Amino acid sequence: EVQLVESGGGLVQPGGSLRLSCADSGFTLSSFWITWVRQGPGKGLQLVATINPDGRLRYYGDSVEGRFTISRDNAKNSVYLQVSSVRVDDSAIYHCATHNDWRLANWGQGTLVTVSS
Amino acid sequence: QSALTQPPSASGSLGQSVTISCTGTSSDVGGYKYVSWYQKHPGKAPKLMIYEVNNRPSGVPDRFSGSKSGNTASLTVSGLQAEDEADYYCFSYAGTKHYIFGGGTKLTVL
Repeated sequence: EVQLVESGGGLVQPGGSLRLSCADSGFTLSSFWITWVRQGPGKGLQLVATINPDGRLRYYGDSVEGRFTISRDNAKNSVYLQVSSVRVDDSAIYHCATHNDWRLANWGQGTLVTVSS
Repeated sequence: QSALTQPPSASGSLGQSVTISCTGTSSDVGGYKYVSWYQKHPGKAPKLMIYEVNNRPSGVPDRFSGSKSGNTASLTVSGLQAEDEADYYCFSYAGTKHYIFGGGTKLTVL
């Protein structure tokens, strides 16, 4: 069974950067599309970025395009989200999920990113 | 692209049924069979409840069902139980590898 675990969240100042990680210790992620989804305080789910299994195809939500970068290292069974030039409204819990067959089947518990000076 | 339209709230009594709608356009909900629904309890990971409009993953109770008519998809929860109280989100394919969430509906079990 896929069990995703996110890490790397924390407190960051506006304009700063963080790298979030998504891994599964017991299952290979290399065959999965992976999507990052976030939920800001009091807000709904928002799709952030998606990457295909070999890492060549990447898609971004409008609000993060040009600031965030999704990548993966299949040798390390991990997917990353580099969040840069962060703004206060990027504060959220960031979840990763497997995204095959047009659905988000397996999710992690998320990692909290707080943007504040 | 704007979020799919869901009612902010819905409610029903224990044992009753409730239906949550998700309205989009012919470019997303109406154009594809790839609508899924997610349950979100506070502090928990979202959980896939319905995929491809009306399919339930293994382990999801058959009290949960989905349907679609035109540009509107619906999630029905029958025989409401206390643990069904949560936020529910629809999610649709919108073409060319784009996807869109609904704004979410808070379901209260009375």
